Amino acid sequence: AQSVTQLGSHVSVSEGALVLLRCNYSSSVPPYLFWYVQYPNQGLQLLLKYTTGATLVKGINGFEAEFKKSETSFHLTKPSAHMSDAAEYFCAVSVVGNQFYFGTGTSLTVIP
Amino acid sequence: NAGVMQNPRHLVRRRGQEARLRCSPMKGHSHVYWYRQLPEEGLKFMVYLQKENIIDESGMPKERFSAEFPKEGPSILRIQQVVRGDSAAYFCASSGGQAFTDTQYFGPGTRLTVL
Repeated sequence: AQSVTQLGSHVSVSEGALVLLRCNYSSSVPPYLFWYVQYPNQGLQLLLKYTTGATLVKGINGFEAEFKKSETSFHLTKPSAHMSDAAEYFCAVSVVGNQFYFGTGTSLTVIP
Repeated sequence: NAGVMQNPRHLVRRRGQEARLRCSPMKGHSHVYWYRQLPEEGLKFMVYLQKENIIDESGMPKERFSAEFPKEGPSILRIQQVVRGDSAAYFCASSGGQAFTDTQYFGPGTRLTVL
């Protein structure tokens, strides 16, 4: 069975500071990994995804994530936070022929 | 190039009434997924459909909930005899390719409130 754990339901960073949102997964087979962002009253928007190949994945808006198999992690980072990054972020995992499993989300606050 | 469309955006029902939520996938997409988001929780998979077929409904409650994706028209998520616990945001997503590995594009959601 697959599952996703996002450590920290709320994260606050200062504008210009590093953003680090943690995601650990559990999967019995090689997973596909995703990060989505949700702005208030909107649907989810794909930030980036890992399927195969390079373990460092670059996404939109300056975000990137690194797949670390040994740590079963897929943490999301951005070198310098912007006010517009304030949103809810969801990590998700899927395997071929199976469902999408979402984490419970991390709410990012950016302090001016 | 319209994205995934959902209507209504907000729906209020009294206990015992029926709720019908509609989802029009992106143009060219034939795979539709429904998710439910409860307050302070992540999205929970409900059902995956292709045109005229339910592929995976393992996340659907056994009673009162049904979904369809007819040959023509939007996908419909139907909740009969709603209860307060059904209050949630319901999101639809669509993809053009293989289930769960292809990128899913999400609609803005329907927020259901049961009084």
